[in-house]
Amino acid sequence: AQRVTQPEKLLSVFKGAPVELKCNYSYSGSPELFWYVQYSRQRLQLLLRHISRESIKGFTADLNKGETSFHLKKPFAQEEDSAMYYCALRTGGSYIPTFGRGTSLIVHP
Amino acid sequence: NAGVTQTPKFRVLKTGQSMTLLCAQDMNHEYMYWYRQDPGMGLRLIHYSVGEGTTAKGEVPDGYNVSRLKKQNFLLGLESAAPSQTSVYFCASSYSLLAGGGYEQYFGPGTRLTVT
Repeated sequence: AQRVTQPEKLLSVFKGAPVELKCNYSYSGSPELFWYVQYSRQRLQLLLRHISRESIKGFTADLNKGETSFHLKKPFAQEEDSAMYYCALRTGGSYIPTFGRGTSLIVHP
Repeated sequence: NAGVTQTPKFRVLKTGQSMTLLCAQDMNHEYMYWYRQDPGMGLRLIHYSVGEGTTAKGEVPDGYNVSRLKKQNFLLGLESAAPSQTSVYFCASSYSLLAGGGYEQYFGPGTRLTVT
């Protein structure tokens, strides 16, 4: 069965510092990967999906099939980036994504 | 478009009481899901539906029932609430055959439920 691991429950950085939220997955086929963000007491919303290869709010994520990772990166963190971030994996033929347990990012002023 | 909406936003129940949470979406999505979110546990799938009239169990279905009588609505029922069901409940929907959409999920604003 597929699995998504976000090894850090909490990541704390200062404004302007680079940030990397890790996501590792276990799946032998071709996955579809997503990052969702949840700002305080708000709904989850899609941040990125790997097939789009886009940058949203300065965040990027590259799928590394060799390392089975999809880490989320931003070169200069902002206070408004403070949120919970979830990595999710969808495999071919399944309607049901698998979510990681989430990483809480806190950006200090 | 309103997207995904949930009713109610907050609720306090006593142990043993029942209630129904309503999720509605106006995006003509085929798939709908109910999750619970607990600290340190992330999102856990309760039940899901791949179309009108169909439902299936997720990771943590015990104590919950669901129905999808209309494509746009997905109801989550708690027949006899327990303190362990205190949580934030999120509904989500995905995929529109007509729009040829992707499988990313659209979430509702959540229902904060406390069972005392």
